[in-house]
Order: sequence, then C-alpha cells, then structure tokens
Amino acid sequence: NAGVMQNPRHLVRRRGQEARLRCSPMKGHSHVYWYRQLPEEGLKFMVYLQKENIIDESGMPKERFSAEFPKEGPSILRIQQVVRGDSAAYFCASTSGRDSGETQYFGPGTRLLVL
Amino acid sequence: AQSVSQHNHHVILSEAASLELGCNYSYGGTVNLFWYVQYPGQHLQLLLKYFSGDPLVKGIKGFEAEFIKSKFSFNLRKPSVQWSDTAEYFCAVNGRSGGYQKVTFGIGTKLQVIP
Repeated sequence: NAGVMQNPRHLVRRRGQEARLRCSPMKGHSHVYWYRQLPEEGLKFMVYLQKENIIDESGMPKERFSAEFPKEGPSILRIQQVVRGDSAAYFCASTSGRDSGETQYFGPGTRLLVL
Repeated sequence: AQSVSQHNHHVILSEAASLELGCNYSYGGTVNLFWYVQYPGQHLQLLLKYFSGDPLVKGIKGFEAEFIKSKFSFNLRKPSVQWSDTAEYFCAVNGRSGGYQKVTFGIGTKLQVIP
C-alpha cells in the first residue's frame, strides 16, 4: 500500500507531556500538509511543508507546536506540553507538488486524546 | 483570501431520497474545487474535483457537482442516496493565481441516511 501513512493511529497523553505525530507521504510525493479536525469545527489547515522546508505555517499555533519534514524519514508534527484542548484528530495529506491545487491524498489520521 | 461556506451542517435523508449539499466559495480569481467524503472512523477521500472544462463533474459512487461561476457555487448532488452514503462531506477550494495557495476546507456536512 503506497498510500499516506500516519502513526500512531491513536495517542493518549497526559497534560504537560509531548506528542509526536508522524506522516509518511504517498510514494513519489514530497509535499505534506497537516490539518486538525475538531468536533463540529471541520478541517483546519495547520502547516504545509516540503522536504527540509516549511512553506506555510499560518495555521499552526505559535507556541508549543512545531513541524518538520527532514530529507530522510517522515514528517513530524510535534506538540509540546499538551493541554486538553489539543485533543483532536490530526490528518496529513500529500501531493507531488507538480501543480498548484492538485488533489491532496489523506492519511488515516492520528486521534490524540489528552487526559 | 479564500473561504468556503457549507450551508447544511446536518442532513438526514431516507434511502432513495435525492441529495443536494450546498457549497459557496469566496475568491476573486480562478479556482480548483473539490468534494471530499469522510466515512465514520476513516480518512478523507476525494469524491470529485473541478479544475476546468465541463462545469458538471461526475465523481465516484454516483455523485456529481456543478460549478456555477456566477453564483460562486459548487453544489454536490446525488439522485438517490443509500445507507452507505452516511458520512461527512467537505467542500474545498484552492485559488490558482499568484503561485501557491493552500486548500481551504468548509466546515463539513454530516449526512445521515436512514434505511
């Protein structure tokens, strides 16, 4: 299966801990997008990355959240000192980057629960 | 800035009823338009997309959408819904002028089909 992979699928953290969410894009894709889905709030854009480069982080909170997409390995969304409000489903999507607006392919998501 | 508005947040239909989900967008230039579906507990999947050409777009599972430029709309339709269409549906837009533009998603419409 060469689709977008995310792990873990479910993550439970206590307040103050760190959460690390991983996303491996579809084969041949080098552009990754992270979204957060909260109940009754739809899908909110967080950050757009290419390999070793953050293109757009306008949707990501300035504190506690960071994202990277290294030359080798998956993209990582990191949430430090988690709070209950961080509980949500986090989805990543990938594209090849060849065309603006091309279809984004989504992963299965990571459901984060903060106790 | 681009934005997407989905008018119906919750829709309940009986099987075999016809479906129309509204989607309006705001953007001053040329756009790409998408409808994604999220079945319970699953990730987002592309239903259909419009980039150019025939404004009536056919998608998977009998869905179609019509792009009406004058109304800034891209409504999703299906003549006869099935219980398996129970899901959440997201309209999305991506502007095509000025280089990179992130995809903006609507808040989503939850469709429940009653057998």
